[in-house]
Amino acid sequence: EAGVTQFPSHSVIEKGQTVTLRCDPISGHDNLYWYRRVMGKEIKFLLHFVKESKQDESGMPNNRFLAERTGGTYSTLKVQPAELEDSGVYFCASSRATGHFAAFFGQGTRLTVV
Amino acid sequence: GNSVTQMEGPVTLSEEAFLTINCTYTATGYPSLFWYVQYPGEGLQLLLKATKADDKGSNKGFEATYRKETTSFHLEKGSVQVSDSAVYFCALGGSNYKLTFGKGTLLTVNP
Repeated sequence: EAGVTQFPSHSVIEKGQTVTLRCDPISGHDNLYWYRRVMGKEIKFLLHFVKESKQDESGMPNNRFLAERTGGTYSTLKVQPAELEDSGVYFCASSRATGHFAAFFGQGTRLTVV
Repeated sequence: GNSVTQMEGPVTLSEEAFLTINCTYTATGYPSLFWYVQYPGEGLQLLLKATKADDKGSNKGFEATYRKETTSFHLEKGSVQVSDSAVYFCALGGSNYKLTFGKGTLLTVNP
């Protein structure tokens, strides 16, 4: 069974540009989560999808961040325009059913905004 | 709100040494507690968990006991191996299935 897959693994962009991160969850997992780790800090929750619906987006930092999960399969997280403080590692995780904490995370996308 | 404080690293040990990584938490209600591990080049994966006070989670020789009286969930292993080198994250989960993580502890085990 393939794990949670994230693309790209690393992205370097200039301040003001747009970047789109992608997450492919484990097949059959309805729940998809995005988390972020800013350098030296904790991994923090961004949002939670159940199928294609946003269940909880309380962790999204501001309206420069847009997450989608069309069709309830893969998800994208777009940052537009990117700022320096957006640099960090973005993790995606999935779980099969509601009521289960995420057990498997992707390798993460390291975003560097210069 | 919820928070997790774990031992700052890095931690460097020799093979077969005893490992303890401290983790304490602040939470409302009755959270579940977790240890996640990230091996080099891989994603985070759940190592062990405990869902109520006095529960002991265990996996791959690692153990942690949910101590409500001291709000702690310390990770221990009696004899570490080189393959245990990784970053370890303590986390708690509330009723909304959102995880709150500590900062992570880098463990390096030398042969």
